[in-house]
Amino acid sequence: SAVISQKPSRDICQRGTSLTIQCQVDSQVTMMFWYRQQPGQSLTLIATANQGSEATYESGFVIDKFPISRPNLTFSTLTVSNLSPEDSSIYLCSVTRGRRYNEQFFGPGTRLTVL
Amino acid sequence: KNEVEQSPQNLTAQEGEFITINCSYSVGISALHWLQQHPGGGIVSLFMLSSGKKKHGRLIATINIQEKHSSLHITASHPRDSAVYICAVLPPNSGGGADGLTFGKGTHLIIQP
Repeated sequence: SAVISQKPSRDICQRGTSLTIQCQVDSQVTMMFWYRQQPGQSLTLIATANQGSEATYESGFVIDKFPISRPNLTFSTLTVSNLSPEDSSIYLCSVTRGRRYNEQFFGPGTRLTVL
Repeated sequence: KNEVEQSPQNLTAQEGEFITINCSYSVGISALHWLQQHPGGGIVSLFMLSSGKKKHGRLIATINIQEKHSSLHITASHPRDSAVYICAVLPPNSGGGADGLTFGKGTHLIIQP
């Protein structure tokens, strides 16, 4: 398995500011993913974080709003920029690793509330 | 894009009851996950299936690839099983692990003592 930590676990932010979420894994992983879960909705993939190259964004998500860094194989950050109340969600980091690449592990999530 | 439907959306049962949660999807997949999400938001992977049936403790998961359907069963349910159970699928040819999951909306399960 993979042990994933996220910081912060929760935050309350003002409209127009930005929040950077960190995802740290206890071992090197192949792929890292960032998901969003808006209240009452299913999780939605924001982007895939690739080590050494730009992230790959899903339809409806853009780099200016959700810049992602992945400087090495154990760490990634997601920034949610120019916050609005609609950004209030749980943000989850997920990774795949090992021979069974379909196996995914999830971080504990970051609960963001935008006032 | 795969459409993932879960039923029921909400389920309240008494301790000890046998629980079934269903998941159907619209397009062929390489694997299906059953996940458990507790109120704090953290998610735990319960099963990953590509065929047949898996059992872990009181949990059983089955999948029928031809019918594009999976079920999660909980035997002898307990209040600590109360959580949101989420079905998620991987698209075909995901052996490289480069694809994210598509999720159902989840089933809110409450087990009353």
